[in-house]
Amino acid sequence: NAGVTQTPKFRVLKTGQSMTLLCAQDMNHEYMYWYRQDPGMGLRLIHYSVGEGTTAKGEVPDGYNVSRLKKQNFLLGLESAAPSQTSVYFCASSYRDRNVEQYFGPGTRLTVT
Amino acid sequence: GQQVMQIPQYQHVQEGEDFTTYCNSSTTLSNIQWYKQRPGGHPVFLIQLVKSGEVKKQKRLTFQFGEAKKNSSLHITATQTTDVGTYFCAGRGEETSGSRLTFGEGTQLTVNP
Repeated sequence: NAGVTQTPKFRVLKTGQSMTLLCAQDMNHEYMYWYRQDPGMGLRLIHYSVGEGTTAKGEVPDGYNVSRLKKQNFLLGLESAAPSQTSVYFCASSYRDRNVEQYFGPGTRLTVT
Repeated sequence: GQQVMQIPQYQHVQEGEDFTTYCNSSTTLSNIQWYKQRPGGHPVFLIQLVKSGEVKKQKRLTFQFGEAKKNSSLHITATQTTDVGTYFCAGRGEETSGSRLTFGEGTQLTVNP
């Protein structure tokens, strides 16, 4: 089992460029999450999904879009990158909503210049 | 919205000293989880506390959930260099609140050998 994988690991974008981050999990989890991690601010939830075909906004959704076309994949898109989106992005998954651990991927370090 | 605050932000200790990080919520929590993130790594689940006043131990780590379910602590006895990393608490509001898991800012622990 690979668990949760993320691609790419690193990326540098110029302001205004677009990109998609891919998250994949092989644990058959229903719930998937995208977080961003900035120094001194912990992990903040961007968007999440409670199952295939569903998405919902988290704490900081502006500037991002997501899609969950397949149960095992959760995509995070940046349509027009801004320097404020420079961050480390973590994907996570869990098999149900409450009282269970979240499994995190290795992260994507994104720099927007 | 729900806020989870964690102190201290940084802690430097000599190997063998004890370490404690504290987590406080603005609202009553249904549960609290603790995660550890090694430098350059991703968050890894340590434990979950659900009951008021609950205390759980994992070897040298002791986790407590406050009686009012608004605060929690993680205590490490006799730190080792392998304890280096950032420790996050993450709390969830009560089931009727519709809230998501909210992470604290984290406490970054360094251990001098």
